[in-house]
Formats: sequence, structure tokens, C-alpha cells
Amino acid sequence: QSALTQPASVSGSPGQSITISCAGSRSDVGSYNLVSWYQQPPGKAPKLLIYEVTKRPSGVSNRFSGSKSGNTASLTISGLRTEDEADYYCCSSAGSSSLKVVFGGGTKLTVL
Amino acid sequence: EVQLLESGGGLVQPGGSLRLSCAASGFTFSGYAMTWVRQAPGKGLEWVSSISGGGGGTYYADSVKGHFTISRDNSKNTLYLQMNSLRVEDTAVYYCAKEGVYGSSLLWYFDSWGQGTLVTVSS
Repeated sequence: QSALTQPASVSGSPGQSITISCAGSRSDVGSYNLVSWYQQPPGKAPKLLIYEVTKRPSGVSNRFSGSKSGNTASLTISGLRTEDEADYYCCSSAGSSSLKVVFGGGTKLTVL
Repeated sequence: EVQLLESGGGLVQPGGSLRLSCAASGFTFSGYAMTWVRQAPGKGLEWVSSISGGGGGTYYADSVKGHFTISRDNSKNTLYLQMNSLRVEDTAVYYCAKEGVYGSSLLWYFDSWGQGTLVTVSS
């Protein structure tokens, strides 16, 4: 089973909004509301931003929001800040197949 | 505060073995599934293996099935990954991560991560 498909890079200016897409299939994103998103600054461990498609853990800014349509999930970051510059990964359950969890290839966000 | 501390990484020759450990604190360890995720140098995240809170359920990526074994010792609040027949392509930082939901349900999201331990497989 292939990784979920994300754009390799996105960029934006401070204060703007950007959206990162995560394309999957009927076997993963399309079948389960179990999409999560992670932020990974350079040289650091990933941090959970969004789970179950739209939910935010306590302590995560409401500038981060998630959504899903069909087989594609999306992460939107509003009011971009320089500290948002990082790699972002989507993740989905893949159900009863042997591959339980699949990650996207990652998107590097540059805040210009 | 949840803390996850991995150890056991290092340099090993192809075909060799290593056992990674992840010491957990700050939560009821036995109540949560745990997962190993790896990241090859300059690459993305890859799910490796997960284990239920009680240890009775284990899950593996096809790429490691048959040569990695996940286990846990709830009396020691420690997660393990036994890695045998290591290959060059197993070179990565290995993270342990905590499942986000308490109990037997697995929602496959990870709300706490360790800092990772580097495994290098090279001759």
C-alpha cells in the first residue's frame, strides 16, 4: 500500500492562510474518520496537531484546522507565523489490511 | 507530564540485531497502545509496529514482519522493539509514540512522541 500523497512543499507569508492536501484512497482516508496531522520542526520529534480529521488536542492553536472530503484530507493553517515553518505529515488508519497505519510523504512549509 | 525516552540505537552490521527500549512515565502505561515509527535520513515518517495496552495484540508493517518483534513490560513501563536480520534500509531514527485514546480501542493517532534513537545499519 502506498503512502498518502502530499505536496512536497508549500509557502506563504506571515498572516496568510495555507492548505496542505493529503490524498488517499477508499482503503484509508475515504473509509475512516481517523486522519491525523503532525508538525515536525527540523531536528525534532513530531507533534500531534489534529486527530480524527477535525479535533485539536488541548494546547494546539485554533489556527490549525482539519477537514476531509472523499479520499482527500486537508490541513489549513491560518494567520501564518514564522514559527510554523516545519514539515507536516498526514496519517490515516488503513483498516483491516496488514498495513494498519499509513503516513503521507510530508510537506515542507516555508514562511516567507 | 508524559515522557518517552528511547534507547538502544547504534551502529550495527547488516544481518545483526538490536533491541530498542522506550521508557515511559507520566501516564498509566498499561492503559495505552504503543507504537514505533521510523524516519530514514531525509525521508518521511513510516509506521513500523504497534502493540495493545495489555500486549495481546501486535501489528507490523509488511517491511518488518518476520524480523522485528514488538513487546512491552507493563511492570517496568517499558516498550521494546527487537530488531533481527537488520538491513541497510532499516537505517532510521526510531520513535516510540503513545496512542491517543485510553483502553482497547485503537484510533491510530499518537499524542506523545519520544525524541528518537538512531539506528545505523552499515558494514
